[in-house]
Amino acid sequence: RKEVEQDPGPFNVPEGATVAFNCTYSNSASQSFFWYRQDCRKEPKLLMSVYSSGNEDGRFTAQLNRASQYISLLIRDSKLSDSATYLCAVNSPGGYQKVTFGTGTKLQVIP
Amino acid sequence: GAVVSQHPSRVICKSGTSVKIECRSLDFQATTMFWYRQFPKQSLMLMATSNEGSKATYEQGVEKDKFLINHASLTLSTLTVTSAHPEDSSFYICSASPLSYEQYFGPGTRLTVT
Repeated sequence: RKEVEQDPGPFNVPEGATVAFNCTYSNSASQSFFWYRQDCRKEPKLLMSVYSSGNEDGRFTAQLNRASQYISLLIRDSKLSDSATYLCAVNSPGGYQKVTFGTGTKLQVIP
Repeated sequence: GAVVSQHPSRVICKSGTSVKIECRSLDFQATTMFWYRQFPKQSLMLMATSNEGSKATYEQGVEKDKFLINHASLTLSTLTVTSAHPEDSSFYICSASPLSYEQYFGPGTRLTVT
């Protein structure tokens, strides 16, 4: 089993739709979780950290499910500008701040 | 805050030459920086963890003699691709972390070896 797994997509959704991505992780000792956004031919940018209680930032909501070992990202009222690849990242316990990235889920918001 | 710069953004070099890429944390100190490479339509692949004042930790399969990493200060890490070959052509990205596990990325360096 891979350390971090994501559905590569693409997810094609109309503007205004709500879309959710999941990311599963294999190491139950992991404590830190993140979502990044990467535009084509650009570097990843930190979108949000994922806390145990979940967190929300505008149209974006991140949740952590420790029992099933996955994190999720929900995007409400999708905008064209949300089109990107969304990467999850999970810390590698004992790995000097090292995190493992998923392969990313591609989102395409359609007019 | 948490700005990371990377230079150069793009470089074209001839096979057999060496290329140095610089990564700087501009508004914070980073005892640890990371170097990744990414091929088109593929995920980030961690190459090595760069530790200030000590040797880098390389991931399995990454040749330390080919990808030389120096972390000279708390704000600067360099990656030198030695004797570059066309198969080394890739997008190289560094990251640094001001807080535990949150990583901020440089804009990347697109290397083309001819």
